[in-house]
Amino acid sequence: DSGVTQTPKHLITATGQRVTLRCSPRSGDLSVYWYQQSLDQGLQFLIQYYNGEERAKGNILERFSAQQFPDLHSELNLSSLELGDSALYFCASSVEQDNSPLHFGNGTRLTVT
Amino acid sequence: AQSVTQLDSQVPVFEEAPVELRCNYSSSVSVYLFWYVQYPNQGLQLLLKYLSGSTLVKGINGFEAEFNKSQTSFHLRKPSVHISDTAEYFCAVSGKAAGNKLTFGGGTRVLVKP
Repeated sequence: DSGVTQTPKHLITATGQRVTLRCSPRSGDLSVYWYQQSLDQGLQFLIQYYNGEERAKGNILERFSAQQFPDLHSELNLSSLELGDSALYFCASSVEQDNSPLHFGNGTRLTVT
Repeated sequence: AQSVTQLDSQVPVFEEAPVELRCNYSSSVSVYLFWYVQYPNQGLQLLLKYLSGSTLVKGINGFEAEFNKSQTSFHLRKPSVHISDTAEYFCAVSGKAAGNKLTFGGGTRVLVKP
């Protein structure tokens, strides 16, 4: 158990809809990362937050947004969903040191129909 | 920016045989290197990491990797695999100046056969 909790585990929704994915980082970790894993794109870094502030941005679409709350949990919001957004979305956390490893949650599997 | 290439998308191997998973990276800055494993229906778990020092790094579950700066490689090895090693393995790189933003390779699926 990595200590990172993601909910829900599975999500099925229709095109055009909006969903929110939630992540609780490991106790003591200040940094949260979101990754998207799909068959064609592999593991893609989306966005990073550190102690409530956006730290780095990767290949995140404008239809997607995220935030980290004062209690350090994070939410990833996906809107105007398309079929191609179907993927496994991972949250990871770290203590935010250059050499500290990432601890991954088990992911949320999103299926857009 | 960094990039990672895992040369084999799939590696079938018999139980108790050795396995080597190849990873090459490119970067304009000094890097940290990692191997993660993903078991079915689970998240990624850190196997080992190279930060500095000895180029031979030992990780969990009997895995080890060797950092070769001249060849920009970080190959993962295990001398004798078990059925339970069936999983997908990801090599990742992080620039030392870029914090923890990991760039992953495409993954290598290891299938251990009895």
